[in-house]
Amino acid sequence: EVQLVESGGGLAKPGGSLRLSCAASGFTFTDAWMNWVRQAPGKGLEWLARIKSKSHGGTAIYAAPVKGRFTISRDDSKNMLFLEVNSLKSEDTALYYCTTDLSHWGQGIVVTVSS
Amino acid sequence: QTVVTQEPSLTVSPGGTVTLTCASSTGAVTSGHDPNWFQHKPGQAPRALIYGTNTKHSWTPARFSGSLLGGEAALTLSGVQPEDEADYYCLLYYDGAGVFGGGTKLTVL
Repeated sequence: EVQLVESGGGLAKPGGSLRLSCAASGFTFTDAWMNWVRQAPGKGLEWLARIKSKSHGGTAIYAAPVKGRFTISRDDSKNMLFLEVNSLKSEDTALYYCTTDLSHWGQGIVVTVSS
Repeated sequence: QTVVTQEPSLTVSPGGTVTLTCASSTGAVTSGHDPNWFQHKPGQAPRALIYGTNTKHSWTPARFSGSLLGGEAALTLSGVQPEDEADYYCLLYYDGAGVFGGGTKLTVL
């Protein structure tokens, strides 16, 4: 059974940084292209970033609004996916989801940006 | 900035048929945009329904189908059930980057 468990969320201050983690199990993580998606309160889903498998180059691509502030990365030795968010803004307050090729989703982790 | 547009809300009667659409600000939606469809209910993670325009996941009920219709991606629900009441999102890819539509709130009444 595919399992994706996000962690690292919580309350953070504007201008600060946060690193979200996603522990993956139940599938061959090294072969998977992984994504991060978020949903701000009262808003729709927003695709953020995707990282390819190492066998496909391991490259990352970002949504235009977050490019330069967000960094997606992976540790295949630990079956872990990460999202680093810098220069936090109040608009980054959201529920952040880790997903495989968008077919399997974690339950999400809440990030609140407030002073 | 690319915008993907969906109907904000639709209402359908139980047992009826409804089509949700997904339009791109860049022009006609094609299979190259790899349209995906998701169902999202409050308090739950989104559930993938359709990928590659019309391919169902193993868990997708048969009453859901995806297509291209008049330059837009479409999701058709035939024989709607009460449990289909949810928000539905399409996602299109542009040079590898995904863009979600604003979502359609489907009410079954």
